[in-house]
Parts: sequence; C-alpha cells; structure tokens
Amino acid sequence: RKEVEQDPGPFNVPEGATVAFNCTYSNSASQSFFWYRQDCRKEPKLLMSVYSSGNEDGRFTAQLNRASQYISLLIRDSKLSDSATYLCVVNPGGYQKVTFGTGTKLQVIP
Amino acid sequence: EAQVTQNPRYLITVTGKKLTVTCSQNMNHEYMSWYRQDPGLGLRQIYYSMNVEVTDKGDVPEGYKVSRKEKRNFPLILESPSPNQTSLYFCASSSLPPLRTSGSSYEQYFGPGTRLTVT
Repeated sequence: RKEVEQDPGPFNVPEGATVAFNCTYSNSASQSFFWYRQDCRKEPKLLMSVYSSGNEDGRFTAQLNRASQYISLLIRDSKLSDSATYLCVVNPGGYQKVTFGTGTKLQVIP
Repeated sequence: EAQVTQNPRYLITVTGKKLTVTCSQNMNHEYMSWYRQDPGLGLRQIYYSMNVEVTDKGDVPEGYKVSRKEKRNFPLILESPSPNQTSLYFCASSSLPPLRTSGSSYEQYFGPGTRLTVT
C-alpha cells in the first residue's frame, strides 16, 4: 500500500458546484497534514494545513479522520480559477519528513 | 520579496555532461530539499539538508549530489546525467519545527521548477 494515495481524477465540475477530494494515508502515527495546490507546470503552493479539529478558509474546508486514516478537501461554489491539481501531503513520521500524493486534478467548467 | 529561485528554468543536455542546477532562498530557512516530479509518480525527494554542511538522502538519490556550504544555497549536481533523469525538478525550503515535535513538519516554499531533458 502506498504511503499516501489520491484519486488522480480528473474531476470535471461545473462552476458553482461543490466538490470533495479524499486522500488516504497508511501510517497511523502521521501527525502533519497539508493540502497543496499545483497549477500546470508550476510549483506547488500551500493551500491549507489540516488540523485535527478541521479547518475552514473561505470556500475551502479540510477535515482529518484519524480512525479511517484519510484527509479531505471540500471546495464550495467552485470557480474557474480553482482548476488545478491538488496534492495531499502527509508527515508519515520523522522530523520534517513529508510524503506527497500524486495529486487529484480538478477542472471547473463554465 | 520572500522567494526560492532556481536556475536554469529549462535545460536540454546530453548524456554524461555534468550539470548543476542552482537553488537559493532569501527566507533564512534552515531546511532545503530537492524533488523531482514525474507523471504518475508525484513529487519524490532526492536530497535534503537540515542546515549548513548537513545533507541526507531522500527517496531517490541515485545519480545526484548536493552541497550546503551556505545557508541560502543548495545546488543539485548531476555528475553524469542519463535520460532517466529527464524530469521536472523543484527546490524547496522551510523553517524547522522544534526538535521535540519529531513528527511535525512545516510548510515548504517551492522554487519555480527546472525542466531538464537529457538526450
């Protein structure tokens, strides 16, 4: 089993839709979780950290489910500018050690 | 402006010709790292450095070298490039969480990427 797994997509959704991605991780001792956004051929950028209590930033909500070992990202009221690849990042244990998922591609359609 | 810079951004070279990709950050970060990104494989870590003169192998170090003589710079060296090193390379930097929080990580800031083609 891969350390971090994501559905590669693509997820094609209309503008205004709500879309959710999940990411599963294999190491139950993992402590740090992040969602990064990557535009085509550009560098990844932090979208949000994922806290145990869940967190929200505008239209974006991140959740952590430790029992089932997954994190989720919910995007409400999708915009064309949300089209990108979303990378799940997990610390599987170890100081400043992270593992990147292969990403989920989102395409928001007019 | 806080940033990570990489040079060159694009490079086409031939097998066996030594090359260096530079990486520099102006955020006084202790941690720096090199990744390669390939379709279907995601970002894989090549080497990382916790501080000056402290480097260690990541998941895919074969065929690469690094050095950390100054805090701001972390060059990636390919002594004898081969076609399987054709890839998109990213440098990243980060501050470090306190040592006692051994299972923690902080946000990484990425450079713009270097697209390398080895023929």
